[in-house]
Amino acid sequence: ETGVTQTPRHLVMGMTNKKSLKCEQHLGHNAMYWYKQSAKKPLELMFVYNFKEQTENNSVPSRFSPECPNSSHLFLHLHTLQPEDSALYLCASTERGASTDTQYFGPGTRLTVL
Amino acid sequence: AQSVTQPDIHITVSEGASLELRCNYSYGATPYLFWYVQSPGQGLQLLLKYFSGDTLVQGIKGFEAEFKRSQSSFNLRKPSVHWSDAAEYFCAVGAGAGGTSYGKLTFGQGTILTVHP
Repeated sequence: ETGVTQTPRHLVMGMTNKKSLKCEQHLGHNAMYWYKQSAKKPLELMFVYNFKEQTENNSVPSRFSPECPNSSHLFLHLHTLQPEDSALYLCASTERGASTDTQYFGPGTRLTVL
Repeated sequence: AQSVTQPDIHITVSEGASLELRCNYSYGATPYLFWYVQSPGQGLQLLLKYFSGDTLVQGIKGFEAEFKRSQSSFNLRKPSVHWSDAAEYFCAVGAGAGGTSYGKLTFGQGTILTVHP
């Protein structure tokens, strides 16, 4: 595997379910990001992890719970979601977490909440 | 706070025609500017970026962009569009020198490019 991978690619869940999204980067990077991409809205940054430490939480509801066990893996745990949470969730990584770094994106997980 | 505006939600051009996608940003200091492209079912891929120096930057796939500080713009151009360029294009701004945003980018809402044969 190369680059940034995300699993699953598609997920349908009910509002009472608990599920997790997984992101893995094979680039040796030290910073990882979760974004939400909704139709007709700009990408919304959700969380940033730098060297496994959370450095940004962009006022995300607690029903989204991130986890970064090491610099290569990032999870987004989901519980009691709402239909408006349906979106494409993108993971990205950068080498150092610096503003000049290129962000490398995974293909995303398309989430549908029923 | 930084912000990005892409005035055109959807642009249609003929194959072989020239292309310009507009991007205006708001940032109090020197910005770092990026253009990303997203093909259907894919994540975003960097086309080019500007930090400092020459205001005309070259990117991949024959794209270029020009930074104009006086107009707070960073428009993306391509002299001759190919059908494979059909995608969604995103402009983004990051905190410049001295910023402490840990690589936080603010994205525009995107411009969808359709290419007619």
